[in-house]
Amino acid sequence: AQSVTQPDIHITVSEGASLELRCNYSYGATPYLFWYVQSPGQGLQLLLKYFSGDTLVQGIKGFEAEFKRSQSSFNLRKPSVHWSDAAEYFCAVGARNNAGNMLTFGGGTRLMVKP
Amino acid sequence: DAGITQSPRHKVTETGTPVTLRCHQTENHRYMYWYRQDPGHGLRLIHYSYGVKDTDKGEVSDGYSVSRSKTEDFLLTLESATSSQTSVYFCAIRTGTADYGGYTFGSGTRLTVV
Repeated sequence: AQSVTQPDIHITVSEGASLELRCNYSYGATPYLFWYVQSPGQGLQLLLKYFSGDTLVQGIKGFEAEFKRSQSSFNLRKPSVHWSDAAEYFCAVGARNNAGNMLTFGGGTRLMVKP
Repeated sequence: DAGITQSPRHKVTETGTPVTLRCHQTENHRYMYWYRQDPGHGLRLIHYSYGVKDTDKGEVSDGYSVSRSKTEDFLLTLESATSSQTSVYFCAIRTGTADYGGYTFGSGTRLTVV
């Protein structure tokens, strides 16, 4: 069974600083990988996803993520954080050949942005 | 955008009472999911459905049942609510046709069991 670990529960960065949120997954083959963002009181919104091909994936809102097979990681990055990026971020993995296409989520990282 | 509505948005109930949460979609998407969200655990799958009357268990299905009598509605029932079921519940639908194509999440139902 697959699993996802997000080692950082909380991260605080200053507005304009760069951001990297860590995600490590456990799965026997190349997984499908996702990053979602959740604003307070809202559902989850997809930022980006990796299925195959180029290991550097571009998403919405200026985010990108890099799949590193050797490190079983899929870290999310943004070069310059905006105050509106404050939210909770979830990494998720999907197993290939999973009939139900269920996603397994990490515990989340809450991002706070200092002015 | 796929329309997905969860009801109620908030509910407080007493231990031992049955509770039903509703997820309604306005399009004919086949796959629907119920997740619960708890601090430190992210979202965990409770049950999912792959068609009318076709459902299966997820990671944390104990104490929950589901029903899907028509395509647009996916109901989650807590047969006898316990305090450990206090959580935020999210419904999701898979809107894409390819594997993992396009998940849309509802706005959640905050359930408190007292």
